[in-house]
Amino acid sequence: AQSVAQPEDQVNVAEGNPLTVKCTYSVSGNPYLFWYVQYPNRGLQFLLKYITGDNLVKGSYGFEAEFNKSQTSFHLKKPSALVSDSALYFCAVRLLSGGYNKLIFGAGTRLAVHP
Amino acid sequence: EAQVTQNPRYLITVTGKKLTVTCSQNMNHEYMSWYRQDPGLGLRQIYYSMNVEVTDKGDVPEGYKVSRKEKRNFPLILESPSPNQTSLYFCASSLFGQKDNLPLHFGNGTRLTVT
Repeated sequence: AQSVAQPEDQVNVAEGNPLTVKCTYSVSGNPYLFWYVQYPNRGLQFLLKYITGDNLVKGSYGFEAEFNKSQTSFHLKKPSALVSDSALYFCAVRLLSGGYNKLIFGAGTRLAVHP
Repeated sequence: EAQVTQNPRYLITVTGKKLTVTCSQNMNHEYMSWYRQDPGLGLRQIYYSMNVEVTDKGDVPEGYKVSRKEKRNFPLILESPSPNQTSLYFCASSLFGQKDNLPLHFGNGTRLTVT
């Protein structure tokens, strides 16, 4: 079955340290991958996407993600975490279904950045 | 300001009492969709609409109805709500049904409690 997994429910990081939020996928064909962030009492906001090309994708708020085809992963990274990065992060993969594209979301990973 | 607007933000109701959650977007987007977010399950698609008068079921459509009479509006209707529909609901839109990998724009969510 085509799916996306986020193996960690929560990631704790000290402010200023690098952070990684993990995502693995299982799809047939070339994967189109996305990261979204959800701040408290807000909807999801688009961070970045991988469609093709360079395996390192840069997005909003200093985040980047690395596509690794052999490991079927698309981990979200940031070199230096901020307390304001604390939020719920969702990885998503695009599937072609019924003639149109739909997004399948992972369960989400809560990032907590401590001062 | 470009946005997706959902109302109400919070709703508490009783089993069997019909309700409607409204969604409106001001970006002239063709594609609109409803998701529910539950802990540990991520976002699951309820219904989507590719354009006016074109709607289709997502992954969890049971107990829900939608309509798309105008391009900007996409209300979610629960004819007879049940406690298992207690959830956080999000409306989202994008320009061309994601076929161009354009990101989804999300509303701020509606937290529904059915007692």
